[in-house]
Amino acid sequence: QVQLVESGGGVVQPGRSLRLSCAASGFTFSNYGMHWVRQAPGKGLEWVAFMSYDGSHKYYAHSVKGRFTISRDNSKNTLYLQMNSLRAEDTAVYYCAKEQDGPDYWGQGTLVTVSS
Amino acid sequence: DIVMTQTPLSSPVTLGQPASISCRSSQSLVHSDGNTYLSWLQQRPGQPPRLLIYKISNRFSGVPDRFSGSGAGTDFTLKISRVEAEDVGVYYCMQGTQLPHTFGQGTKVEIK
Repeated sequence: QVQLVESGGGVVQPGRSLRLSCAASGFTFSNYGMHWVRQAPGKGLEWVAFMSYDGSHKYYAHSVKGRFTISRDNSKNTLYLQMNSLRAEDTAVYYCAKEQDGPDYWGQGTLVTVSS
Repeated sequence: DIVMTQTPLSSPVTLGQPASISCRSSQSLVHSDGNTYLSWLQQRPGQPPRLLIYKISNRFSGVPDRFSGSGAGTDFTLKISRVEAEDVGVYYCMQGTQLPHTFGQGTKVEIK
């Protein structure tokens, strides 16, 4: 069965960096595009970034462009989100999701808290 | 960016009765490939989102047939034919036609 497990969240000071990981199993990871989506406490869903199956295309939300970098290692079945210059408004649960005509499988999420 | 607007934002429903959620996009969601990438997701309390419907009206694997999606262009609807207790949660529409992908604000379904 498809499993997506995020890790790497935690408490970080404003301006610092954090790298999230999403370990995938149960499907051929290298065949699918992948998303990062976040949800601030008590708020709705916000799409963050997408990477194509082979890593050749990547796209970002305006709110994170230039600060966040999505990447993947298909040999390790893992998706990453490098987050730099973090701000208080980046505080959220970050989910990774597999894409097939829609975000069809989601992980449980990892909480990132940006606070001094 | 495409703005997704859901109505209502809150929907108190009696068990066994139908519920309907509307989602309107600020631009047509018809992709150049001819598909319309409009999805519906359910988020139960304390859980991650779960895909219910993709490409307007296709039920995802394991989704009960009381859930149905319809619409075209800029206007879309999610219907629950008979609400059950496990349907409580927040429902989101999401467009995957144009980048950046965008979500509606969410509609909270609760039992009266």
